[in-house]
Amino acid sequence: DAGVTQSPTHLIKTRGQQVTLRCSPKSGHDTVSWYQQALGQGPQFIFQYYEEEERQRGNFPDRFSGHQFPNYSSELNVNALLLGDSALYLCASSLSDGTQYFGPGTRLLVL
Amino acid sequence: AQKITQTQPGMFVQEKEAVTLDCTYDTSDQSYGLFWYKQPSSGEMIFLIYQGSYDEQNATEGRYSLNFQKARKSANLVISASQLGDSAMYFCAMRERGNRDDKIIFGKGTRLHILP
Repeated sequence: DAGVTQSPTHLIKTRGQQVTLRCSPKSGHDTVSWYQQALGQGPQFIFQYYEEEERQRGNFPDRFSGHQFPNYSSELNVNALLLGDSALYLCASSLSDGTQYFGPGTRLLVL
Repeated sequence: AQKITQTQPGMFVQEKEAVTLDCTYDTSDQSYGLFWYKQPSSGEMIFLIYQGSYDEQNATEGRYSLNFQKARKSANLVISASQLGDSAMYFCAMRERGNRDDKIIFGKGTRLHILP
Protein backbone atom coordinates (compact mmCIF):
# COMPACT_ATOMS: atom_id res chain seq x y z
CA ASP A 1 0.00 0.00 0.00
CA ALA A 2 1.79 3.11 -1.25
CA GLY A 3 1.84 6.09 1.02
CA VAL A 4 1.64 9.71 -0.02
CA THR A 5 4.07 10.52 -2.81
CA GLN A 6 5.32 13.90 -3.97
CA SER A 7 7.34 15.10 -6.93
CA PRO A 8 9.84 16.47 -7.48
CA THR A 9 11.90 15.94 -4.34
CA HIS A 10 13.99 19.06 -4.90
CA LEU A 11 13.58 22.11 -7.10
CA ILE A 12 15.58 25.26 -7.77
CA LYS A 13 13.90 28.28 -9.34
CA THR A 14 14.65 31.96 -9.75
CA ARG A 15 12.57 34.89 -8.59
CA GLY A 16 9.56 35.59 -10.75
CA GLN A 17 9.31 32.09 -12.12
CA GLN A 18 6.38 29.74 -11.66
CA VAL A 19 6.47 26.25 -10.13
CA THR A 20 4.15 23.24 -10.00
CA LEU A 21 4.42 20.62 -7.29
CA ARG A 22 2.59 17.31 -7.44
CA CYS A 23 1.06 14.98 -4.87
CA SER A 24 -0.50 11.53 -5.05
CA PRO A 25 -2.55 10.65 -1.98
CA LYS A 26 -2.49 7.44 -0.01
CA SER A 27 -4.70 4.77 -1.52
CA GLY A 28 -8.33 5.30 -0.52
CA HIS A 29 -7.88 8.90 0.59
CA ASP A 30 -10.00 11.61 -1.03
CA THR A 31 -8.71 14.78 0.61
CA VAL A 32 -5.41 16.53 0.00
CA SER A 33 -3.94 19.34 2.08
CA TRP A 34 -0.85 21.40 1.33
CA TYR A 35 1.51 22.94 3.88
CA GLN A 36 4.54 25.20 3.68
CA GLN A 37 7.34 24.62 6.18
CA ALA A 38 10.00 27.29 6.40
CA LEU A 39 13.35 26.37 7.92
CA GLY A 40 13.11 25.94 11.68
CA GLN A 41 9.34 26.38 11.76
CA GLY A 42 6.30 24.16 11.96
CA PRO A 43 4.24 23.59 8.81
CA GLN A 44 1.73 26.29 7.83
CA PHE A 45 -1.56 25.32 6.18
CA ILE A 46 -1.92 26.56 2.60
CA PHE A 47 -5.18 24.97 1.42
CA GLN A 48 -7.16 21.77 1.22
CA TYR A 49 -8.88 20.05 -1.70
CA TYR A 50 -11.85 17.73 -1.52
CA GLU A 51 -13.99 16.54 -4.41
CA GLU A 52 -11.87 18.64 -6.78
CA GLU A 53 -12.77 21.86 -4.96
CA GLU A 54 -10.75 24.06 -2.65
CA ARG A 55 -12.48 23.52 0.68
CA GLN A 56 -10.37 25.65 2.98
CA ARG A 57 -7.55 28.13 2.61
CA GLY A 58 -4.92 29.43 4.97
CA ASN A 59 -3.38 32.87 5.02
CA PHE A 60 -1.52 32.66 1.71
CA PRO A 61 -1.72 35.06 -1.26
CA ASP A 62 -3.45 34.26 -4.53
CA ARG A 63 -0.05 33.45 -6.06
CA PHE A 64 -0.61 30.07 -4.44
CA SER A 65 -3.20 28.03 -6.28
CA GLY A 66 -4.03 24.39 -6.59
CA HIS A 67 -5.99 21.72 -8.29
CA GLN A 68 -7.33 18.28 -7.51
CA PHE A 69 -7.91 15.71 -10.22
CA PRO A 70 -10.63 13.04 -10.40
CA ASN A 71 -8.14 10.43 -9.16
CA TYR A 72 -7.64 12.65 -6.06
CA SER A 73 -4.08 13.61 -6.93
CA SER A 74 -3.28 17.27 -6.56
CA GLU A 75 -1.03 20.06 -7.76
CA LEU A 76 0.22 23.15 -6.00
CA ASN A 77 1.14 26.09 -8.23
CA VAL A 78 3.08 29.12 -7.12
CA ASN A 79 3.39 32.10 -9.46
CA ALA A 80 5.82 35.02 -9.36
CA LEU A 81 8.15 33.26 -6.96
CA LEU A 82 9.76 35.24 -4.16
CA LEU A 83 12.86 34.43 -2.18
CA GLY A 84 10.59 33.90 0.83
CA ASP A 85 8.81 31.05 -0.94
CA SER A 86 11.87 28.87 -0.33
CA ALA A 87 10.64 26.11 1.94
CA LEU A 88 9.68 22.48 2.27
CA TYR A 89 6.23 21.94 0.77
CA LEU A 90 4.33 19.07 2.34
CA CYS A 91 1.29 17.34 1.01
CA ALA A 92 -1.00 15.40 3.33
CA SER A 93 -3.85 13.09 2.44
CA SER A 94 -6.78 11.87 4.49
CA LEU A 95 -10.29 10.63 4.35
CA SER A 96 -12.59 13.61 4.61
CA ASP A 97 -12.11 14.34 8.31
CA GLY A 98 -9.58 11.75 9.29
CA THR A 99 -5.97 11.78 10.30
CA GLN A 100 -3.68 13.43 7.78
CA TYR A 101 -0.72 11.42 6.49
CA PHE A 102 2.15 13.35 4.99
CA GLY A 103 4.39 12.77 2.02
CA PRO A 104 8.17 13.26 1.98
CA GLY A 105 7.86 16.84 0.78
CA THR A 106 9.36 18.93 -2.01
CA ARG A 107 12.25 21.23 -1.12
CA LEU A 108 11.97 24.43 -3.12
CA LEU A 109 14.84 26.87 -3.31
CA VAL A 110 14.23 30.26 -4.92
CA LEU A 111 17.34 32.17 -5.97
CA ALA B 1 -1.92 34.20 20.49
CA GLN B 2 -0.30 30.93 19.62
CA LYS B 3 -2.67 28.02 19.35
CA ILE B 4 0.00 25.40 20.02
CA THR B 5 2.95 26.04 22.32
CA GLN B 6 5.97 23.79 22.59
CA THR B 7 8.29 25.31 25.16
CA GLN B 8 11.27 22.99 24.64
CA PRO B 9 13.23 23.95 21.50
CA GLY B 10 15.66 21.09 22.12
CA MET B 11 16.15 18.15 24.46
CA PHE B 12 18.97 15.71 25.10
CA VAL B 13 18.04 12.33 26.57
CA GLN B 14 20.06 9.23 27.32
CA GLU B 15 19.15 6.14 25.32
CA LYS B 16 16.62 3.84 27.04
CA GLU B 17 15.31 6.62 29.27
CA ALA B 18 11.73 7.86 29.02
CA VAL B 19 11.17 11.33 27.64
CA THR B 20 8.28 13.77 27.89
CA LEU B 21 7.75 16.43 25.24
CA ASP B 22 5.53 19.28 26.38
CA CYS B 23 2.61 20.76 24.47
CA THR B 24 -0.08 23.20 25.50
CA TYR B 25 -2.89 24.39 23.29
CA ASP B 26 -5.44 27.14 23.14
CA THR B 27 -8.94 26.71 21.78
CA SER B 28 -12.49 27.70 22.62
CA ASP B 29 -13.91 24.77 20.68
CA GLN B 30 -15.36 21.81 22.57
CA SER B 31 -14.56 19.42 19.76
CA TYR B 32 -10.96 19.18 18.64
CA GLY B 33 -8.21 16.70 17.99
CA LEU B 34 -4.60 16.65 19.06
CA PHE B 35 -1.77 15.06 17.12
CA TRP B 36 1.90 14.37 17.45
CA TYR B 37 4.11 14.03 14.40
CA LYS B 38 7.78 13.08 14.10
CA GLN B 39 9.95 14.66 11.43
CA PRO B 40 13.37 13.07 10.80
CA SER B 41 16.03 14.96 8.89
CA SER B 42 14.62 13.50 5.66
CA GLY B 43 11.66 15.86 6.06
CA GLU B 44 8.73 13.47 6.00
CA MET B 45 6.15 14.13 8.71
CA ILE B 46 5.33 10.83 10.40
CA PHE B 47 2.04 10.49 12.30
CA LEU B 48 2.57 9.11 15.81
CA ILE B 49 -0.56 9.44 17.90
CA TYR B 50 -3.99 11.11 18.08
CA GLN B 51 -6.22 12.19 20.97
CA GLY B 52 -9.77 13.41 20.55
CA SER B 53 -11.11 15.99 22.94
CA TYR B 54 -13.91 13.68 24.02
CA ASP B 55 -11.68 10.64 24.52
CA GLU B 56 -11.61 9.77 28.20
CA GLN B 57 -8.60 7.49 28.00
CA ASN B 58 -5.12 8.71 27.14
CA ALA B 59 -4.08 7.52 23.69
CA THR B 60 -1.28 4.98 23.40
CA GLU B 61 0.57 3.61 20.37
CA GLY B 62 3.39 1.25 21.19
CA ARG B 63 6.13 3.23 22.96
CA TYR B 64 4.19 6.48 22.51
CA SER B 65 1.53 7.74 24.86
CA LEU B 66 -0.25 11.06 25.06
CA ASN B 67 -0.74 12.55 28.52
CA PHE B 68 -3.97 14.47 27.95
CA GLN B 69 -4.97 16.93 30.67
CA LYS B 70 -7.99 18.72 29.28
CA ALA B 71 -8.50 21.23 32.08
CA ARG B 72 -4.88 22.36 31.76
CA LYS B 73 -5.07 22.24 27.93
CA SER B 74 -2.02 20.06 27.91
CA ALA B 75 -1.15 17.19 25.55
CA ASN B 76 2.33 15.95 26.35
CA LEU B 77 3.95 13.14 24.38
CA VAL B 78 5.68 10.44 26.39
CA ILE B 79 8.18 8.15 24.69
CA SER B 80 9.14 5.16 26.78
CA ALA B 81 12.52 3.41 26.47
CA SER B 82 13.95 5.90 23.98
CA GLN B 83 16.02 4.66 21.04
CA LEU B 84 18.67 6.32 18.88
CA GLY B 85 16.18 6.32 16.00
CA ASP B 86 13.90 8.59 18.03
CA SER B 87 16.24 11.52 17.36
CA ALA B 88 14.14 13.92 15.27
CA MET B 89 11.91 17.00 15.39
CA TYR B 90 8.59 16.43 17.11
CA PHE B 91 5.54 18.55 16.39
CA CYS B 92 2.38 18.88 18.41
CA ALA B 93 -0.65 19.85 16.35
CA MET B 94 -4.35 20.54 16.74
CA ARG B 95 -7.41 20.39 14.57
CA GLU B 96 -10.42 22.44 15.67
CA ARG B 97 -13.80 21.17 14.62
CA GLY B 98 -16.10 23.94 15.83
CA ASN B 99 -16.49 25.44 12.38
CA ARG B 100 -15.85 22.15 10.60
CA ASP B 101 -12.32 23.30 10.03
CA ASP B 102 -10.02 20.57 8.88
CA LYS B 103 -6.68 22.29 8.81
CA ILE B 104 -4.03 21.25 11.29
CA ILE B 105 -2.23 23.93 13.28
CA PHE B 106 1.30 23.01 14.25
CA GLY B 107 3.56 24.13 17.05
CA LYS B 108 7.16 25.16 16.42
CA GLY B 109 8.49 21.78 17.38
CA THR B 110 10.99 20.22 19.77
CA ARG B 111 14.25 18.76 18.52
CA LEU B 112 14.99 15.56 20.42
CA HIS B 113 18.50 14.16 20.59
CA ILE B 114 18.96 10.64 21.95
CA LEU B 115 22.45 10.06 23.31
CA PRO B 116 24.11 6.60 23.20
